[in-house]
Amino acid sequence: DVKVTQSSRYLVKRTGEKVFLECVQDMDHENMFWYRQDPGLGLRLIYFSYDVKMKEKGDIPEGYSVSREKKERFSLILESASTNQTSMYLCASSLAGANGYTFGSGTRLTVV
Amino acid sequence: AQSVTQLDSQVPVFEEAPVELRCNYSSSVSVYLFWYVQYPNQGLQLLLKYLSGSTLVESINGFEAEFNKSQTSFHLRKPSVHISDTAEYFCAVTVGGATNKLIFGTGTLLAVQP
Repeated sequence: DVKVTQSSRYLVKRTGEKVFLECVQDMDHENMFWYRQDPGLGLRLIYFSYDVKMKEKGDIPEGYSVSREKKERFSLILESASTNQTSMYLCASSLAGANGYTFGSGTRLTVV
Repeated sequence: AQSVTQLDSQVPVFEEAPVELRCNYSSSVSVYLFWYVQYPNQGLQLLLKYLSGSTLVESINGFEAEFNKSQTSFHLRKPSVHISDTAEYFCAVTVGGATNKLIFGTGTLLAVQP
């Protein structure tokens, strides 16, 4: 069964910490995405990558960066965590084209 | 720019009743349309999609959606819901291309009551 795996389901971090959220897919997909999900706002795209070492900003990139050194792994980095980054973070991957995404189970991050 | 509107944030319904979850999109070009479902504490799962061809698409668990180009809608329907259908439902649109970014609506919580 194909999978997108996010390393942590729940995470609690302190304000100012550098936070790494990891995502790994085993489907040889070219495209990978990071979204955050907040009540009433739906899913908002933070960053995406369409190839190794390639990245593009989504709609809300401020306060985040990403890394894609290998095709299967896409990391989201919070340079200095703040309380307004408390959210559910969802990783997804897809083939180039129109087949839709496969999502991971999500990481619920709380910044205190 | 493309956008997706889900007007209903919550839809309460009794078990075995029919339901319709509304989705409208705005785009000046051809689109691909999707419905995703999110059960509590889980990621999103693809429910059904419209890419081309027949405007009526179905899922394996009894949901269907109809692409209406003139009304720019892609409403999701089920003739008889079960308790297990309780979840949040997201409509999404993409204009295709290599990166096929999805634009999501804000979601509709379907709450099925016994």
